Formats: sequence, C-alpha cells, structure tokens
Amino acid sequence: NAGVMQNPRHLVRRRGQEARLRCSPMKGHSHVYWYRQLPEEGLKFMVYLQKENIIDESGMPKERFSAEFPKEGPSILRIQQVVRGDSAAYFCASTLVTTEQFFGPGTRLTVL
Amino acid sequence: GIQVEQSPPDLILQEGANSTLRCNFSDSVNNLQWFHQNPWGQLINLFYIPSGTKQNGRLSATTVATERYSLLYISSSQTTDSGVYFCAVGIDKLIFGTGTRLQVFP
Repeated sequence: NAGVMQNPRHLVRRRGQEARLRCSPMKGHSHVYWYRQLPEEGLKFMVYLQKENIIDESGMPKERFSAEFPKEGPSILRIQQVVRGDSAAYFCASTLVTTEQFFGPGTRLTVL
Repeated sequence: GIQVEQSPPDLILQEGANSTLRCNFSDSVNNLQWFHQNPWGQLINLFYIPSGTKQNGRLSATTVATERYSLLYISSSQTTDSGVYFCAVGIDKLIFGTGTRLQVFP
C-alpha cells in the first residue's frame, strides 16, 4: 500500500509567481491535512479537507493561499504571488477518519 | 487552543545512552503521535499513542491521558537517532510541540 505522495519534492519560484503543491493520500483515505514548517520551527496546521469540502481552514493565511481536494485526483495547495516568507516545507497528511495521520515526504518551497 | 510543551528542548548523548523525552498537553485529545524528523527533513511516524504503552525496538512510549502527558523512551541510542523529536496532539488537526533536538555522538 503506497504511502502519502507529494510532488514536487522541491520547488523554486521567483517572487510573484504561483506555486502548486500536490498531495495524493494513501489509498482509501478521504481526509487530508496540510501543514507548514518554517525554517527552524515546528509544523503548523493550515487546512483540513475531505473530498470536495473544506472542513477547517483556520490556519490558512487570509490572502494568496487556497486548497482543494476534488472528487478525483490529488489535493492541491495553491500559493499565488509568492513572497520570500512563503519559503518553507509543506507537508500533507492523510487519514481514514480522525485517527492516526500519515505524513508525506513534504515539498520544500524556495522563493528567490 | 491546545498547548503542547516538550522537554528538554535540547539533548546531547553519547552512543549507548538512554533518554526520556516528555510531552505535556493542556486539554483532552483523541490523537497523540510522536515523530522523528531526521537531519534531511524527513518526518517519520514513531507512535500513534493516545493512551497506553507501546514498544518498537529500542523505542517505547507511554501516554497517561488522564494526566495529559506522554513520554518517549530511547534506549541504547545510536547516531542515526539524531534529529528532532516532535509530539503532536489533537482532535482533528494536530498541534505540534516545539520539539526536542537530539544529538548522539559516537
């Protein structure tokens, strides 16, 4: 059973560009969480999604960030007009219900 | 919101030593997980342990939910144990502690 997959693993963007991060949950998992880890810090919750629904987006910055988890395909975290402060590792996790979360390898975003 | 505190913040050990890492949390939760983040940034699931005791090789963990703390034991530490250990708790979303940075020297 394949684990949680994220791509790309590394992403470099210039200020003002868009970044799209993808997360494919474990087979059968319909709950996805996104977390952000700034340099030298712990992980912070961003958003919790189920298929076609955003359940909790209390950790998402108010502007430029959006997330979706369509009926078919991976979950997408989209950052518009990136700034240097968006440079971080972005992890997604999946779960069956509100139990153990399984984390992907992360996407490391660098904004030049 | 839920507060998570980990101690100690830093730990330096010689290979072969044992250690205990602690995680205190401020409210009732139904999920508690321990992770190891290695020097390459990879996040490794160690334990899913909202209550009780589990063991996996040289590592074991105990959570006393009624007293809102969890302990991670590392025995006979190896250099590959180096990295940051995170405790995370929650109901839906996980709240992460600030971690314990472990360095194991040969």
